[in-house]
Amino acid sequence: SQQGEEDPQALSIQEGENATMNCSYKTSINNLQWYRQNSGRGLVHLILIRSNEREKHSGRLRVTLDTSKKSSSLLITASRAADTASYFCVAGQNNAGNMLTFGGGTRLMVKP
Amino acid sequence: GAGVSQTPSNKVTEKGKYVELRCDPISGHTALYWYRQSLGQGPEFLIYFQGTGAADDSGLPNDRFFAVRPEGSVSTLKIQRTERGDSAVYLCASSRLGSGTPRNTGELFFGEGSRLTVL
Repeated sequence: SQQGEEDPQALSIQEGENATMNCSYKTSINNLQWYRQNSGRGLVHLILIRSNEREKHSGRLRVTLDTSKKSSSLLITASRAADTASYFCVAGQNNAGNMLTFGGGTRLMVKP
Repeated sequence: GAGVSQTPSNKVTEKGKYVELRCDPISGHTALYWYRQSLGQGPEFLIYFQGTGAADDSGLPNDRFFAVRPEGSVSTLKIQRTERGDSAVYLCASSRLGSGTPRNTGELFFGEGSRLTVL
């Protein structure tokens, strides 16, 4: 399994500011994924970046991947109160049965 | 249905009782995962199915926990002799294809979870 570890554990910002969350993992990966979880609900897939990619954009999301440092970052630009949630990174290994192990997540609070 | 469906959404039981939690994955998804999540924690892997077989059950905490997927679609997580420490949200996820396939994106689709409370 490939465990993602998120940093910081908690982040509080004002609406309109950017939010940056970091993720580290331990060994080689096929891809790295970010998920979002609203309180008490299921996780929703946000974005996947493959090991041969360095940066990926999706709307207000920007993900980077540095395989030499075994780290990734998720940037949410122009944050909104509705972005308040927990964010998890997961490192995927193609030959590991696709089993994904989650870290503790970053709890983001965006204040209106 | 369009998404992963889990039932019941909430289950309250007494210590020592038997519980079954059901997961209906997205149609055609061959991979199915069970996770357990405690308050303030990330999801903890329990078991992974590829088709009908359990490809990895290394996350099951002890032999009170068991899961089946007899026809390669619906899965049931079974917990015997429940303990208060079993209280958590049990999440199910499915994925389109298994490992080693070029079309597999690895994206997991989660249900809303079953919240288990053991009194």
